[in-house]
Amino acid sequence: GAVVSQHPSWVICKSGTSVKIECRSLDFQATTMFWYRQFPKQSLMLMATSNEGSKATYEQGVEKDKFLINHASLTLSTLTVTSAHPEDSSFYICSQKGWAGEDTQYFGPGTRLTVL
Amino acid sequence: GENVEQHPSTLSVQEGDSAVIKCTYSDSASNYFPWYKQELGKRPQLIIDIRSNVGEKKDQRIAVTLNKTAKHFSLHITETQPEDSAVYFCASKRGGGGNKLTFGTGTQLKVEL
Repeated sequence: GAVVSQHPSWVICKSGTSVKIECRSLDFQATTMFWYRQFPKQSLMLMATSNEGSKATYEQGVEKDKFLINHASLTLSTLTVTSAHPEDSSFYICSQKGWAGEDTQYFGPGTRLTVL
Repeated sequence: GENVEQHPSTLSVQEGDSAVIKCTYSDSASNYFPWYKQELGKRPQLIIDIRSNVGEKKDQRIAVTLNKTAKHFSLHITETQPEDSAVYFCASKRGGGGNKLTFGTGTQLKVEL
């Protein structure tokens, strides 16, 4: 598989502040990482595809200016939720492909964001 | 874009019985179909996957079948155990590292003693 870590595992912030979430690949150089959001009792919804050294590709309906993605190295992608509001409270999970091939995706442990 | 439907949304079985979860996809170009298990508050974990060049794949108590013509694929868990209780997601994808996974809506499986 692949070992993916995320930091922080949970964060509580005030409305209007920005929060940065890190996704690290510990054993694989990931040129592509994916960011998902999951609301309670719902499925995983892809937010954006993070590409190393270039701009992220955002899914329809996801505000690129609100959810800033930076993929500056082959082992680190960051998601910054800017001017967070209570409706942004969710479980954010990153994923990457692993040793099994380019189709297989392995997920990080997720970050629980609560905006007060 | 791709649409993946998953049924049932909840499934309750007795320990030792079998469980079957079904998914239907819309994109005929999809050729990779993984299944993930997610426990509450944790990451989705890949439990089995299948590619369109095979019709069935088995790994101990877990098996997946694929019907390309009907665009159906199913997860079969035999001899269920309490630790199988979780949410299961199917997904589909076109080949290629940059292509995205499209997930089903999930099935909450409960294995009762």
